[in-house]
Amino acid sequence: EVQLVESGGGLVQPGGSLSLSCAASGFTFSDFWMTWVRQAPGKGLEWVANIKQDGSDKNYVDSVKGRFTISRDNAKNSLYLRMNSLRAEDTAVYYCARTYSPWDYWGQGILVTVSS
Amino acid sequence: DIVMTQSPDSLAVSLGERTTINCKSSQSVLYSSNNKNYLAWYQQKPGQPPNLLIYWASTRKSGVPDRFSGSGSGTDFTLTISSLQAEDVAVYFCQQYYSTPYTFGQGTKLEIK
Repeated sequence: EVQLVESGGGLVQPGGSLSLSCAASGFTFSDFWMTWVRQAPGKGLEWVANIKQDGSDKNYVDSVKGRFTISRDNAKNSLYLRMNSLRAEDTAVYYCARTYSPWDYWGQGILVTVSS
Repeated sequence: DIVMTQSPDSLAVSLGERTTINCKSSQSVLYSSNNKNYLAWYQQKPGQPPNLLIYWASTRKSGVPDRFSGSGSGTDFTLTISSLQAEDVAVYFCQQYYSTPYTFGQGTKLEIK
């Protein structure tokens, strides 16, 4: 059974940093692109970033470029999102998703709140 | 960026009735080299992550009930629920994965009348 479990969320002040993790199981992690998607409270969905199987290709939405870094550790079956210079508008539930036509399995999500 | 626009924003339908949700993209999401439309539909229930229903515009994900179907090509797409069930109450999103940034429609909230 495919499972994706996010962790690392919480409350952070504007300008602060936070790192999210996503633990994958039930499939061969290194065979798939992986993706982060976020959803602000009561709002729609926004693609944040994705990363190729070997980490050699990464893409970001413009609003997080230069502030967020996606990475992965295939030996640990884990996906990461390092978030710096956080802003109030980054407040959202962050989901990791397996990338296959296009995102076939999602984690339950983790809440990140940016507030003073 | 490709803008995805859904209609309506919300609708209320009686149990057993047919439901259609529309999605329009600001540019074609049909890739000519493989003749595939890079368009997906998701269902999201309160407190849950999105659940993939349809990909390549009309391919149902394994395990999705056959009352859900997708159609359309190029810039205009439709999600149809042939006979509404109580468990179909949710918000439905379309999404293009033709080019980054991958973008979603604003969502359509489906309720029971």
